[in-house]
Amino acid sequence: GAGVSQSPSNKVTEKGKDVELRCDPISGHTALYWYRQSLGQGLEFLIYFQGNSAPDKSGLPSDRFSAERTGGSVSTLTIQRTQQEDSAVYLCASSSGDPQYFGPGTRLTVL
Amino acid sequence: AQSVTQLGSHVSVSEGALVLLRCNYSSSVPPYLFWYVQYPNQGLQLLLKYTTGATLVKGINGFEAEFKKSETSFHLTKPSAHMSDAAEYFCAVSYGGSQGNLIFGKGTKLSVKP
Repeated sequence: GAGVSQSPSNKVTEKGKDVELRCDPISGHTALYWYRQSLGQGLEFLIYFQGNSAPDKSGLPSDRFSAERTGGSVSTLTIQRTQQEDSAVYLCASSSGDPQYFGPGTRLTVL
Repeated sequence: AQSVTQLGSHVSVSEGALVLLRCNYSSSVPPYLFWYVQYPNQGLQLLLKYTTGATLVKGINGFEAEFKKSETSFHLTKPSAHMSDAAEYFCAVSYGGSQGNLIFGKGTKLSVKP
């Protein structure tokens, strides 16, 4: 069946611009997670959605980062006023219990 | 803070040799434990997991891992390495049960020499 999909696969932007990254989870999965993978920091948790509950935002590195999940399905991660240190691969995962299934990621490059 | 330590950022083995990738976690409370593999330019794929029950768990591609509570370890092994095993391997833990976010180790890049 279809896995987790993410778009775009690659995004190049200029410092100071806003970007939106999209995640389509596996159908029926109630939980959705965003992670960031960078050379310096490894894999870091960003935010977690579970059903209709308030999201766990404890991993967001600054208030420039936000995410929403519409209709309990698709999620968008928004980074405002991008900085060069935001360059990383942003991974989305979904689950219905364990384990988490990961998408291919969006590679973000901030020039 | 809870953490996961993977000893060795790079491990090199010969084809047919034993693969041993080490993972230790920091908490005295047993978490859920996972190993993921990442091939170049691809996402993370689950190899195996431990939640409860039998402490020796078998995964895909001939890999297995043993949960040792007394050592707070979850090392990954494979008896005989294959060229196709070359990839980066990540150990991860969840303290939130089946719905918790994952805390990852830094990863170990496995190279397999012919």
